[in-house]
Amino acid sequence: DVKVTQSSRYLVKRTGEKVFLECVQDMDHENMFWYRQDPGLGLRLIYFSYDVKMKEKGDIPEGYSVSREKKERFSLILESASTNQTSMYLCASSLVGQGYETQYFGPGTRLLVL
Amino acid sequence: AQKVTQAQTEISVVEKEDVTLDCVYETRDTTYYLFWYKQPPSGELVFLIRRNSFDEQNEISGRYSWNFQKSTSSFNFTITASQVVDSAVYFCALNLNRDDKIIFGKGTRLHILP
Repeated sequence: DVKVTQSSRYLVKRTGEKVFLECVQDMDHENMFWYRQDPGLGLRLIYFSYDVKMKEKGDIPEGYSVSREKKERFSLILESASTNQTSMYLCASSLVGQGYETQYFGPGTRLLVL
Repeated sequence: AQKVTQAQTEISVVEKEDVTLDCVYETRDTTYYLFWYKQPPSGELVFLIRRNSFDEQNEISGRYSWNFQKSTSSFNFTITASQVVDSAVYFCALNLNRDDKIIFGKGTRLHILP
């Protein structure tokens, strides 16, 4: 079974803090993704990584950065958290497959920025 | 442009009723993949099904069935004899045969009332 884990289920931070969200997958997947999910907006892709140290911007990268130093780990960084970054953050991974590979998701991190 | 539309934002049905979740997609590509995911209250997206654009056969898995019609660009999902455990948000998604990024619909929240 594919296992994608995220470092926290719930997180409360203050405006201006630097926030790290970590994601680890155990299936040797090349691709990893960070999404945010907001009511009425569905899932929106923040960043995507297709290999170690490689990254690609998604639809809403502003205010975020990512790091992928090891194949199994993909970190999302909020350099200076703001209240509009309060959201549910979902990590996913997949094999490289030109579209046909299924993405497997972690349990999500609910982030509240005060 | 590529797009997935789930027109039903929220549906409520009484247990044991059948319910169909609609999904309409837009793409000019001839090769693509369609997915359904379920997101229960726990938050993790669970993969349900993947379909490629060349396979229009309907699929049945227990109480779940999927109807793929290229002529209407639809990939609808039916739950027969619904149960309370089916209560969740359901996402339809599209993946083109170019990269591994998925385009998600905004989801349909399904309430099964006891």
